[in-house]
Formats: sequence, C-alpha cells, structure tokens
Amino acid sequence: GQQVMQIPQYQHVQEGEDFTTYCNSSTTLSNIQWYKQRPGGHPVFLIQLVKSGEVKKQKRLTFQFGEAKKNSSLHITATQTTDVGTYFCAVTGGVQGAQKLVFGQGTRLTINP
Amino acid sequence: ETGVTQTPRHLVMGMTNKKSLKCEQHLGHNAMYWYKQSAKKPLELMFVYSLEERVENNSVPSRFSPECPNSSHLFLHLHTLQPEDSALYLCASSRSVGGLGEQYFGPGTRLTVT
Repeated sequence: GQQVMQIPQYQHVQEGEDFTTYCNSSTTLSNIQWYKQRPGGHPVFLIQLVKSGEVKKQKRLTFQFGEAKKNSSLHITATQTTDVGTYFCAVTGGVQGAQKLVFGQGTRLTINP
Repeated sequence: ETGVTQTPRHLVMGMTNKKSLKCEQHLGHNAMYWYKQSAKKPLELMFVYSLEERVENNSVPSRFSPECPNSSHLFLHLHTLQPEDSALYLCASSRSVGGLGEQYFGPGTRLTVT
C-alpha cells in the first residue's frame, strides 16, 4: 500500500531558529496535506498541495511540493514556542490511494525558549 | 472547536468489558473515519464510512465494531480488548471520501485497557 517516509522523527531547536520537515514517497502523489498536532491535542489541517512544484506560504510557514510530486517539505522560519507540536504529512495517490489518507510518522518539534 | 465531538474523552476498561465510543460531526460532511494513534506509531486508519456505508476496513480485529447510523454519527463498539489496544482513538470527517479535501478531527478518546 501507499507509504510515506517523514524525516526527521524529532527536532529540537532554540526559539528563533528555523525548522524543516520532509515527506518522501516512492510513488507519484496526487496531492499532499499537512497537519499539526499540539501536545495533548488532535491533528489540525494546515494546507493541501496539488500541483507539481507548488509553493504556499502561511505567515512563517512555507510548504513545497516537489516537481516530481514525490516529496514535500514544511519549513518554519524563526520558530516560536507556539510552533511546538507534531507535524504530519498525509498523502493519497499510488495504486491503492483513492479513498484514504496515509499519514507519515510525524516530526515532533520541541523548542527551547 | 472543529465541529467534531467525541465522547467519552477518557475511558478505562478491563479486558472483559464492553464499551462504546461516540463521534458526532456538525459539519454536514458525508464521510467519517476512525483512527488509532499509539505512542511512537503513525496515525492508523481503522474504518471509513461514506454516506453511512462502510467503504474501508483496514484489517481491524473483530473486537472493534463500527456503526454508522447516519451521516452525522459514528460509533466504535469495543469488547474483549487487549492491553495493546490502549491508544488515542480519533474520529474525523470530511466532505466526501477521497484524497482531496481536508479532514476535521475530533479531540479523541484516550483509551486505557487494564
């Protein structure tokens, strides 16, 4: 079935430093979604990317979809303590991907204030 | 609030108990999902319902039994669970089944099986 590799699994930064998480697939993706889950909370949708090479920004967050639609990244500029949480990518596509999202393992971000 | 509610928020049950988790969405969505989230594991999709019809069962053991009486409500009936079933159970909904369109998650039920 469809699988997606997300790296790194953990990332600890000083407040103000940048942060990036990557999502990689061996197959071409139809689209990719990103979610954030705060500690003790539930996943919350951030964004969806559909087009090859697409770049979208939300304030300090920049989302990219690779040209080959096999990878994506989420970059946070100048992290703040409110950015703490686990960031998941979720994908559909591939042979069996029509009806469900497959979530990556997530990158857990912790921040030293 | 995301428009998806779950009860109870916490549940402790013995291996011989029978309990049910409830999910309700107030978003007018047609698709509803059950996920399991364990420590150190990615979100695992358990069941998918589209317009009250089950369209996906991800090889979930029969001790988990879903029920979708209408497009706004989803239940997960639990019986004779094992300690390894302890996890956060998340309900989600979306406008329709399929890859496009975001999923809205409820706050989850933290289940502990003793």
